[in-house]
Amino acid sequence: GDSVTQMEGPVTLSEEAFLTINCTYTATGYPSLFWYVQYPGEGLQLLLKATKADDKGSNKGFEATYRKETTSFHLEKGSVQVSDSAVYFCALSGQTSGSRLTFGEGTQLTVNP
Amino acid sequence: GAVVSQHPSWVICKSGTSVKIECRSLDFQATTMFWYRQFPKQSLMLMATSNEGSKATYEQGVEKDKFLINHASLTLSTLTVTSAHPEDSSFYICSAIRDSSYNEQFFGPGTRLTVL
Repeated sequence: GDSVTQMEGPVTLSEEAFLTINCTYTATGYPSLFWYVQYPGEGLQLLLKATKADDKGSNKGFEATYRKETTSFHLEKGSVQVSDSAVYFCALSGQTSGSRLTFGEGTQLTVNP
Repeated sequence: GAVVSQHPSWVICKSGTSVKIECRSLDFQATTMFWYRQFPKQSLMLMATSNEGSKATYEQGVEKDKFLINHASLTLSTLTVTSAHPEDSSFYICSAIRDSSYNEQFFGPGTRLTVL
């Protein structure tokens, strides 16, 4: 079945540091890939997405590229801010699963001033 | 657009009572809504898929008689936790699909349930 694996957290960075959160997936065919962000006590917000190989999703300085050859969708940001502190979830929606999402474990990011 | 609300945002109840959580799509019609459960510091676990006008589809291991789902209209789905026990304490999150944006779910802010 479909699965998503994220790098283990928590991740702690200083403000303006470079961020990478690794995400790899297992799925048949060509899934759609997503990054969601969850701020404390809140639901999930879609951060970015990519629907086909080599697509790059981007939003609020975050980027992720759909790499079919490595089955990866790593999240990056060049300069993090304190306000980026949150939990980040990688997810996929498989071709055969309709719109059902499979989530990774989540990665807690803390950015210190 | 594509705002999903949940009510209540938090609830505390006694063991043995039932609790109803509402999920509403405020500015779009949602034929499909999803209900998730999230334990502290863990990922979201899909509980069930709610389709307007039909019975919900439950994931393996989720008791349908305990977690009653009703999707009576295109903008409202409800989750009722029946005879709640402390182990049902969790963060419950719903999401909805906007028909014109197939394959993208819009999430509600979640409901924190604490069963004493």
